Amino acid sequence: NAGVTQTPKFRILKIGQSMTLQCAQDMNHNYMYWYRQDPGMGLKLIYYSVGAGITDKGEVPNGYNVSRSTTEDFPLRLELAAPSQTSVYFCASSFGQGGSPLHFGNGTRLTVT
Amino acid sequence: GQQLNQSPQSMFIQEGEDVSMNCTSSSIFNTWLWYKQDPGEGPVLLIALYKAGELTSNGRLTAQFGITRKDSFLNISASIPSDVGIYFCAGQLGGGSYIPTFGRGTSLIVHP
Repeated sequence: NAGVTQTPKFRILKIGQSMTLQCAQDMNHNYMYWYRQDPGMGLKLIYYSVGAGITDKGEVPNGYNVSRSTTEDFPLRLELAAPSQTSVYFCASSFGQGGSPLHFGNGTRLTVT
Repeated sequence: GQQLNQSPQSMFIQEGEDVSMNCTSSSIFNTWLWYKQDPGEGPVLLIALYKAGELTSNGRLTAQFGITRKDSFLNISASIPSDVGIYFCAGQLGGGSYIPTFGRGTSLIVHP
């Protein structure tokens, strides 16, 4: 099993450009999450989904959008990239039952200049 | 948003030394999880704790679920260079709550 797959691994954007970070999981997990990681700040939740067709905001959703049309895929969209969105983005999934651990992808490193 | 208090923020140790880190919270959790993030990769689960007072080992790693349900610690014995990375604690309420609360991480550097 591939687990959680994120693409691309690296990306450089200019201010105002848009892009979609892709995330796919093959573990039939209902729950999926997007986090951003900034140095020394830990993991901050952007958006999450409890199943296909259902998404909800996390701690830092501004500037991002998500969709969940299938169980496997949970893309994250940046519409108007800003330097503050320079970060490493991690997608994760879990069974979602209380206490189920998260399985993380290897991240997308995004730089906005 | 809510975050756990994880300490220390960073550690610089010599190979062979033991390491201890902990997380505390003002809220009760029903599950404590410890993850490790290697450089350039995503976090990976090390140990999961599901019962207050539980003490669990995984090789050189030992973790405990505090009896008050508001804290947990992780110990690494006889550190080796491949222990380098960022260690995260996470608390989960369980039941209908599926959003973990993460600590800010402990960055570990091991000098050979």
